[in-house]
Amino acid sequence: LAKTTQPISMDSYEGQEVNITCSHNNIATNDYITWYQQFPSQGPRFIIQGYKTKVTNEVASLFIPADRKSSTLSLPRVSLSDTAVYYCLVGLSGNTGKLIFGQGTTLQVKP
Amino acid sequence: GAVVSQHPSWVICKSGTSVKIECRSLDFQATTMFWYRQFPKQSLMLMATSNEGSKATYEQGVEKDKFLINHASLTLSTLTVTSAHPEDSSFYICSAGTGATNTIYFGEGSWLTVV
Repeated sequence: LAKTTQPISMDSYEGQEVNITCSHNNIATNDYITWYQQFPSQGPRFIIQGYKTKVTNEVASLFIPADRKSSTLSLPRVSLSDTAVYYCLVGLSGNTGKLIFGQGTTLQVKP
Repeated sequence: GAVVSQHPSWVICKSGTSVKIECRSLDFQATTMFWYRQFPKQSLMLMATSNEGSKATYEQGVEKDKFLINHASLTLSTLTVTSAHPEDSSFYICSAGTGATNTIYFGEGSWLTVV
């Protein structure tokens, strides 16, 4: 299972765009890249998932370069409520895939 | 997205007793579910893979006789912490994938406090 490396913490201010980069040098051909958000005392919440290039949904964008050895989660115009821990995971998801969590990135959004 | 629900959300039990936590996939069938535990300010640690109709697969260092996992149906997996001790106090989280998409969804988590 691919190991991921993320910054342990990041600070930002309301209204700014936040980019969190994750390294996954040993990603396998069948692995997807998935980002989750976790608030204290809650289970992780799915944010976005991708395999290659760029994926965008209503809350975030995910940029994946051609070699897939890293990925960047982009949160546009963050608010205080985006303060949370963000996890980057790689693996064969779906019904049989298991996900190994790294340390995650604690994002602190300041007013 | 798909919904995974856990029950109870929090439970307090006496040392030496057993406690059961349920994990349900509400709108999809899951042949495989996963159980994690999380200590305060730490990341999630995978405990075991729950397989419907067969034995669970435990990660290294997890005592299978202490953390009993049963996956009797395609929508329900249970984790039973047997002979609980204060060091078992933790946040337990389950996850499941729909199979239709390459996405894993997590339950809300269950706080266990052993006194």
